[in-house]
Amino acid sequence: AQRVTQPEKLLSVFKGAPVELKCNYSYSGSPELFWYVQYSRQRLQLLLRHISRESIKGFTADLNKGETSFHLKKPFAQEEDSAMYYCALRGASGGSNYKLTFGKGTLLTVNP
Amino acid sequence: DAGVTQSPTHLIKTRGQQVTLRCSPKSGHDTVSWYQQALGQGPQFIFQYYEEEERQRGNFPDRFSGHQFPNYSSELNVNALLLGDSALYLCASNWGRADTQYFGPGTRLTVL
Repeated sequence: AQRVTQPEKLLSVFKGAPVELKCNYSYSGSPELFWYVQYSRQRLQLLLRHISRESIKGFTADLNKGETSFHLKKPFAQEEDSAMYYCALRGASGGSNYKLTFGKGTLLTVNP
Repeated sequence: DAGVTQSPTHLIKTRGQQVTLRCSPKSGHDTVSWYQQALGQGPQFIFQYYEEEERQRGNFPDRFSGHQFPNYSSELNVNALLLGDSALYLCASNWGRADTQYFGPGTRLTVL
């Protein structure tokens, strides 16, 4: 079974504080992991994917296969980071599993 | 490029009716996926179309069907609507197996 768990439905931090959004997954093969973000009144958009190993808007995420986790981190949160964040999984390239499986999302609020 | 577009934006139907939702992929994309997002949940994969055929299907009943046209646009059809079909329906497009999926703004379906 392919499953993504985001244990926190809501997360509230103050501006300038570090933020970590948790994501755990279950998948029998090699996964590709993604973080998607949805800002207010905007469409779902890709924030980052683990194979890119890049930092977007100051966010980073490391795939930990031992702990089956892909937590999203930012050292200093900004008010514009307030949004709904979804962790998603897809089977690795070369297989026949094309679908994205999403977690239920974490609503991040950054307070001034 | 307007990106992925979907129509209509909103739709209200009654139980037992049938509905057709439409999606135009991002320019250059040949693959379309459909997702259902119920309130408070992450998107759930319905199916994916590639080369005008259903390539993978999620755990949805046969009442959900689709089609992809030669210009890569796609339709999602839902027959015998149930109250539980009320949701935001998202379309995503990509090119090639490993490409990122880009999402449209969604169609909000309300079944009364």
